[in-house]
Amino acid sequence: GAGVSQSPSNKVTEKGKDVELRCDPISGHTALYWYRQSLGQGLEFLIYFQGNSAPDKSGLPSDRFSAERTGGSVSTLTIQRTQQEDSAVYLCASSFSGGLETQYFGPGTRLLVL
Amino acid sequence: AQSVTQLDSHVSVSEGTPVLLRCNYSSSYSPSLFWYVQHPNKGLQLLLKYTSAATLVKGINGFEAEFKKSETSFHLTKPSAHMSDAAEYFCVVRHGSSNTGKLIFGQGTTLQVKP
Repeated sequence: GAGVSQSPSNKVTEKGKDVELRCDPISGHTALYWYRQSLGQGLEFLIYFQGNSAPDKSGLPSDRFSAERTGGSVSTLTIQRTQQEDSAVYLCASSFSGGLETQYFGPGTRLLVL
Repeated sequence: AQSVTQLDSHVSVSEGTPVLLRCNYSSSYSPSLFWYVQHPNKGLQLLLKYTSAATLVKGINGFEAEFKKSETSFHLTKPSAHMSDAAEYFCVVRHGSSNTGKLIFGQGTTLQVKP
């Protein structure tokens, strides 16, 4: 079956511009996660959606970062006024439910801020 | 707070020899621990997970890990390395004791397999 998909696969933007990254989770998965993988910080949690519950935003590094999940399926991560330190690979994962369910990762979006 | 420390940033082995990737954890709760693998230009894939059942956990591709509470360790092993095992490996702990699936990743270990 189809796995987690993310788009675009690569994004180059200029400092100060806004970007939107999209994640399509596996059908039927109620939990969705965003992580960021960068050279300096490794792999770090950003935000977690579980069903209709309020998202866990505790990993978002600043108020320039936001995410939404529409209809319990597709999610969009938005970075406003991008900075060079935002350059990283943004990974999305989904699981059947939260907790100990296996998280399936997408291929990531590689973001480069010039 | 939970954390994991991968003791080696880079491990090099010859094909056919054993693999040992070391991981220590810190947790205020009974931890849930995972190993993920990331091949070049591919997504993260779960190798195995420990969730307080059997302390020796078997995963895919011949990998296994043993949870040792007394040593706060969760080392990953494989009896015989294959060239296809060359990848980045991450030791991971689940955050907190609640139902959240939020994961905390180690810094990663690059496994090189020489012919």
